[in-house]
Amino acid sequence: EADIYQTPRYLVIGTGKKITLECSQTMGHDKMYWYQQDPGMELHLIHYSYGVNSTEKGDLSSESTVSRIRTEHFPLTLESARPSHTSQYLCASRGGGGYSYNEQFFGPGTRLTVL
Amino acid sequence: QKEVEQDPGPLSVPEGAIVSLNCTYSNSAFQYFMWYRQYSRKGPELLMYTYSSGNKEDGRFTAQVDKSSKYISLFIRDSQPSDSATYLCAMRGRNNDMRFGAGTRLTVKP
Repeated sequence: EADIYQTPRYLVIGTGKKITLECSQTMGHDKMYWYQQDPGMELHLIHYSYGVNSTEKGDLSSESTVSRIRTEHFPLTLESARPSHTSQYLCASRGGGGYSYNEQFFGPGTRLTVL
Repeated sequence: QKEVEQDPGPLSVPEGAIVSLNCTYSNSAFQYFMWYRQYSRKGPELLMYTYSSGNKEDGRFTAQVDKSSKYISLFIRDSQPSDSATYLCAMRGRNNDMRFGAGTRLTVKP
């Protein structure tokens, strides 16, 4: 089982609030990712990082921001939540090396509802 | 056109059935092919990993890749109720850009 954690697991919040979704991994992986997942839709990459102080926007336009100050920690922040941000947010990490260890391992997800 | 197409189902089968899950893709640069299993309210977990064309077997699961047809499959033999989940195909090329299918929801009825 992958050692990647997300908190909170569920969050219901009002419009306009600032929120931070936490993601931590204990595998020492350099690469970390944030995805948005909606029912019946493919995962959309919203941010990724290939190491400390490295962050990039993904394919899906997002009003969120991320930071990577420590290898193990990759938080995602929404400055002003809106109902359109309601979704499942998945964090993933990926290590180096061969075979399946080179692929992404996912956290349990945060289900965000913005009222 | 999406780069990866996956039939969302839902798919319902009786226990013991053979299940076939499929994805097609359009990008010939994809070389690494994965299947993830996602239980309700959980994150996806890596189930099978295949490089390039061919078959790979792991217990009751077999992954097939046909690069000439741009078609990948996951077969589940002797399906169990515990196999009930959403199965996502995923693939990437050497540039590491991962693409996911929308997932197929599978229910195995006792």
